Amino acid sequence: DTGVSQDPRHKITKRGQNVTFRCDPISEHNRLYWYRQTLGQGPEFLTYFQNEAQLEKSRLLSDRFSAERPKGSFSTLEIQRTEQGDSAMYLCASSKTGDPMGYTFGSGTRLTVV
Amino acid sequence: GQSLEQPSEVTAVEGAIVQINCTYQTSGFYGLSWYQQHDGGAPTFLSYNALDGLEETGRFSSFLSRSDSYGYLLLQELQMKDSASYFCAVRDRVMNTGFQKLVFGTGTRLLVSP
Repeated sequence: DTGVSQDPRHKITKRGQNVTFRCDPISEHNRLYWYRQTLGQGPEFLTYFQNEAQLEKSRLLSDRFSAERPKGSFSTLEIQRTEQGDSAMYLCASSKTGDPMGYTFGSGTRLTVV
Repeated sequence: GQSLEQPSEVTAVEGAIVQINCTYQTSGFYGLSWYQQHDGGAPTFLSYNALDGLEETGRFSSFLSRSDSYGYLLLQELQMKDSASYFCAVRDRVMNTGFQKLVFGTGTRLLVSP
């Protein structure tokens, strides 16, 4: 297992367009998280899945954002009608229930909205 | 809510020892973690303290004092490759769900010079 994979690494889109990012977690990890990080800041929590169930969403996740994790494996994060303020690094992380240690993060998708 | 405070930047020379402090305020506390992030890279888990005291992992050590809501990361025998951003993070339980999410500080940028 090569860790958490995210695709694409970079995405440039025009304002108003929809974008979708994919995350493949570590296979034995049942928990999956999405975070957003802007320059000079720490990652901010967006949402959390345990298996296929989305159990928690941040207030940061407006109605334009939707995340899915069909079959409890990979996850997608879609942003509709992108705005310039959506420009950020979108990080995915995974972990295993009962593991008190850390999350394993992917390298992220850098979104630039022009 | 939660808040974590860290110095924004620390500079040191190769071979030196540096301490990065973190103070936190949170309604619930379930441990303090530290992550390293190189520019353009993924946050990488370094250490986790659930109880008071010092945890040592090679050149890195992490300390926690729950009564003071304070912790630090100690890096010894600094190397150029240690130049990165370092984030402290607390596990904060979401009420009524039992879900613990990681809340990150704004990060400390460490610059190691020859």
